[in-house]
Amino acid sequence: NAGVTQTPKFQVLKTGQSMTLQCAQDMNHNSMYWYRQDPGMGLRLIYYSASEGTTDKGEVPNGYNVSRLNKREFSLRLESAAPSQTSVYFCASCPDFWTMNTEAFFGQGTRLTVV
Amino acid sequence: GIQVEQSPPDLILQEGANSTLRCNFSDSVNNLQWFHQNPWGQLINLFYIPSGTKQNGRLSATTVATERYSLLYISSSQTTDSGVYFCAVVGYSSASKIIFGSGTRLSIRP
Repeated sequence: NAGVTQTPKFQVLKTGQSMTLQCAQDMNHNSMYWYRQDPGMGLRLIYYSASEGTTDKGEVPNGYNVSRLNKREFSLRLESAAPSQTSVYFCASCPDFWTMNTEAFFGQGTRLTVV
Repeated sequence: GIQVEQSPPDLILQEGANSTLRCNFSDSVNNLQWFHQNPWGQLINLFYIPSGTKQNGRLSATTVATERYSLLYISSSQTTDSGVYFCAVVGYSSASKIIFGSGTRLSIRP
């Protein structure tokens, strides 16, 4: 039971570099999410995918793109990294937002530093 | 969009004390969860509680959906309870967005 798996766990980028954060879940969940957490703050929603084939913007989407590759995988891409994107990134999934059973499960996080 | 406010922002207690953490939300919710983020950054599910009361050992939670708040109770605190406690909600009008409060940082002193 891996749950939600994020890769990599740590990454250092130079300003202007691009990278993709990977997320996969093995719980057959329909909905997946990407959040960022800045020091001393709560989690802010970047993008989410309510179901396979759909993606929507969250609270802080600027500078990011996402791809729902299939039901299991949801990736987050930084096209041109900026120091303001230094943060810890969390991926989450939940069964189905149409039902009441939408308990969400989180990955271990990716600590990204942009220098 | 829905606003989620948690109080207090910080709480320092001696081991063995009891505490109550509060989460207020600005709109009707489909779902509400409490999480504990441990000092290593891991998010741990505590309760899925859109309404009613649940208990799990020394922890319990109550959500009064009609009055738009939820409470998390921690009894007989232990040092391992330290960390940040988050409330997260899905509003009726927010589709499947899960929105977090800013958290309560709990420090339990031995």
